[in-house]
Amino acid sequence: GAVVSQHPSWVICKSGTSVKIECRSLDFQATTMFWYRQFPKQSLMLMATSNEGSKATYEQGVEKDKFLINHASLTLSTLTVTSAHPEDSSFYICSARVLGEGVEQYFGPGTRLTVT
Amino acid sequence: EDQVTQSPEALRLQEGESSSLNCSYTVSGLRGLFWYRQDPGKGPEFLFTLYSAGEEKEKERLKATLTKKESFLHITAPKPEDSATYLCAVQARGAGSYQLTFGKGTKLSVIP
Repeated sequence: GAVVSQHPSWVICKSGTSVKIECRSLDFQATTMFWYRQFPKQSLMLMATSNEGSKATYEQGVEKDKFLINHASLTLSTLTVTSAHPEDSSFYICSARVLGEGVEQYFGPGTRLTVT
Repeated sequence: EDQVTQSPEALRLQEGESSSLNCSYTVSGLRGLFWYRQDPGKGPEFLFTLYSAGEEKEKERLKATLTKKESFLHITAPKPEDSATYLCAVQARGAGSYQLTFGKGTKLSVIP
């Protein structure tokens, strides 16, 4: 149980284009979903927290106009990187908390974004 | 501000050589401390949640313990497949959105 998927698993895009990453909870409904980014040999840094039907809450230093988050249902959240630049290249990971249960977050497999 | 410090940064063990990983934390009221395993290029895999000092949890060769200031992940007779980065994270009581603060991890390598 508590399986989270992400799509795509990797993506290469050109500078200036936008990329959408999907995060789905496959066997549970998610109260809250979280988006992280991870640079090589570094730990996870929380970018934003999203609740279904509400606007996302962004961490300090994260540009909300650049990283658009939509949490349209209890099983789907999307992260859109707009006007991507090479410095946005990173490993993006989502996690989800099970509706009505516990405090754990279950993570997706991650999406490797490379901007050329 | 919540802080998590993990040590050592990297650990090399011979197969069968038991050891412990440390996670020191500072948090304004602990709701939970979490251990995750992360393989290269993958998302973290949930291992344990610990809620209060004195609590212990076990899974196969792993045992996690918790005090008021730190947590240990004990690895007994490790195998090469235990090689991974182990992440510790804390969640503060009153964190309405249940956010996690992660340490930088300990990269464990188990040599056959």
